[in-house]
Amino acid sequence: KNQVEQSPQSLIILEGKNCTLQCNYTVSPFSNLRWYKQDTGRGPVSLTIMTFSENTKSNGRYTATLDADTKQSSLHITASQLSDSASYICVVSVDSGGYQKVTFGTGTKLQVIP
Amino acid sequence: EPEVTQTPSHQVTQMGQEVILRCVPISNHLYFYWYRQILGQKVEFLVSFYNNEISEKSEIFDDQFSVERPDGSNFTLKIRSTKLEDSAMYFCASSEVKGAGELFFGEGSRLTVL
Repeated sequence: KNQVEQSPQSLIILEGKNCTLQCNYTVSPFSNLRWYKQDTGRGPVSLTIMTFSENTKSNGRYTATLDADTKQSSLHITASQLSDSASYICVVSVDSGGYQKVTFGTGTKLQVIP
Repeated sequence: EPEVTQTPSHQVTQMGQEVILRCVPISNHLYFYWYRQILGQKVEFLVSFYNNEISEKSEIFDDQFSVERPDGSNFTLKIRSTKLEDSAMYFCASSEVKGAGELFFGEGSRLTVL
């Protein structure tokens, strides 16, 4: 069964600090992995997307890594800001002949405090 | 920047009533999706839609659910006879291309069934 597990479940950090969120998946056949940021009560917003051949992708203060061999990904947030407080969701896709069949992770709830 | 728009943002309904949630995907996108997120839980796939027909549906998407693209712009999710457990945030998403294409989410429609 395709699964995406994320850790930690929740995290509190001080403003300005760095943090790393983890994602392990068992989805197969793998197509791509995305990290989304979801503010409370709002739709997910894409941060990064990586295919099998990519092992790192940056978007501003967000850097995602992918190890397709161990089926692990991480999202590193540098110099955190209060606005980074949100849920971060790892989403893994299977390419089902055109449309994207995705499995969502349970998310990591990040709280950045002053 | 083009975006997926959803209406209503919040709907309250009585159990047993029919509900229609509306989505306007990004105009040049070809693949459309509905997801739901029960409060405090992860996002779950409901259905994917391409070329005016359902590509795949999850076990959640039973006979009470239906989707339609009534014209060139709208994509609707109908719940025929709502149940208490249908209370959730419903997200519409669309993508332009196959495989690793970006998946864009709307802001969601919050459905509360009383």
